[in-house]
Amino acid sequence: GAVVSQHPSWVICKSGTSVKIECRSLDFQATTMFWYRQFPKQSLMLMATSNEGSKATYEQGVEKDKFLINHASLTLSTLTVTSAHPEDSSFYICSARVVPGGTGGGITDTQYFGPGTRLTVL
Amino acid sequence: GQNIDQPTEMTATEGAIVQINCTYQTSGFNGLFWYQQHAGEAPTFLSYNVLDGLEEKGRFSSFLSRSKGYSYLLLKELQMKDSASYLCAAWDSNYQLIWGAGTKLIIKP
Repeated sequence: GAVVSQHPSWVICKSGTSVKIECRSLDFQATTMFWYRQFPKQSLMLMATSNEGSKATYEQGVEKDKFLINHASLTLSTLTVTSAHPEDSSFYICSARVVPGGTGGGITDTQYFGPGTRLTVL
Repeated sequence: GQNIDQPTEMTATEGAIVQINCTYQTSGFNGLFWYQQHAGEAPTFLSYNVLDGLEEKGRFSSFLSRSKGYSYLLLKELQMKDSASYLCAAWDSNYQLIWGAGTKLIIKP
């Protein structure tokens, strides 16, 4: 249980285009999902917290108009990188929070990560 | 401020035991996590401690001391596939996950 998928696994796009990344909880409902970015040899950086049915909460320094997050259902959150630039090239990872007693059947309050999406902007 | 400290890199020998330490300073505390991350992949959950003491799970064990703001991950019978980065992270009072920079573990034959 507690499987999180991401699509696509990798994407290459031209500068100025927009890219949508999907994060799905496959066998449980996730009221809260998180979006991270990781640059090479660095730790995860939280970008935003996505709550189903409400606006995402962005971390300081993350442009909400550039990184659009939609959490329209309990199993899907999307991150759209708008007008992508080469400096947006990174590894984007989502995670879903599993709460004890929830449909994920977890015994601890934890996060399970998707496999990540490697974005390269040319 | 909130902070997680762990060594940048460690080296150990196949078959041996290694302990990766983590100290944390957070605004409130709701538990500490360890994740394993292989190069180019997303992190995978290893353990969660919210009470003091040692939690054993196969070859991996995790320890927590809340009074000392300290945790360690103990890996026994090291295998080459254990070469990875190990990330320590703590929930603060708002259930915000505060991440350490990760410890790169290199296993030598």
